Amino acid sequence: SQQGEEDPQALSIQEGENATMNCSYKTSINNLQWYRQNSGRGLVHLILIRSNEREKHSGRLRVTLDTSKKSSSLLITASRAADTASYFCATDTSGPQGGSEKLVFGKGTKLTVNP
Amino acid sequence: DVKVTQSSRYLVKRTGEKVFLECVQDMDHENMFWYRQDPGLGLRLIYFSYDVKMKEKGDIPEGYSVSREKKERFSLILESASTNQTSMYLCASSLWGAGANVLTFGAGSRLTVL
Repeated sequence: SQQGEEDPQALSIQEGENATMNCSYKTSINNLQWYRQNSGRGLVHLILIRSNEREKHSGRLRVTLDTSKKSSSLLITASRAADTASYFCATDTSGPQGGSEKLVFGKGTKLTVNP
Repeated sequence: DVKVTQSSRYLVKRTGEKVFLECVQDMDHENMFWYRQDPGLGLRLIYFSYDVKMKEKGDIPEGYSVSREKKERFSLILESASTNQTSMYLCASSLWGAGANVLTFGAGSRLTVL
């Protein structure tokens, strides 16, 4: 069952521009994570934001979370050609002690950064 | 460098064959997962395991089984491969810590069933 849905499905920008990707989800979450996938490879974890956080930064990445709207956004500033990849949000509905819940991934946004 | 290793990057099998996809992690993680990834459908969870000899069905377990005899190894088995199982298979592991479940993925195994 899909929980997160990314928007847009594809995004093409020029190097140096900012890229913004959005994720909407349906049920209450413990945290929301963003992953990156280079073509034909596995996913790599980028950043995690907890349900009681509103914004988080990591290098050129900025993630926001609005639990009232059940949405998150990932901003990549000053993009580079090497940022070309697919980006996925994943929602974690695990309780505070963990459990059998699992991450549910969206379908991803394909970002192309043109040199 | 900690990692998740999937034994085969590319496999080509015939319909009806039994297929084993192996995954090994060296991070002493309790949790291991198998996803398949298809264009337009994203990642879908097949099976996962929170302990040795333990398994739980994900969203699309039909046609698959798993084995976890050792903590570091989680195998995905296609008992009788079919063409609709042609896909990219991703293994991941995680350690529940600090109230979060962060996955480390392998590089993926691209399976083609003819």
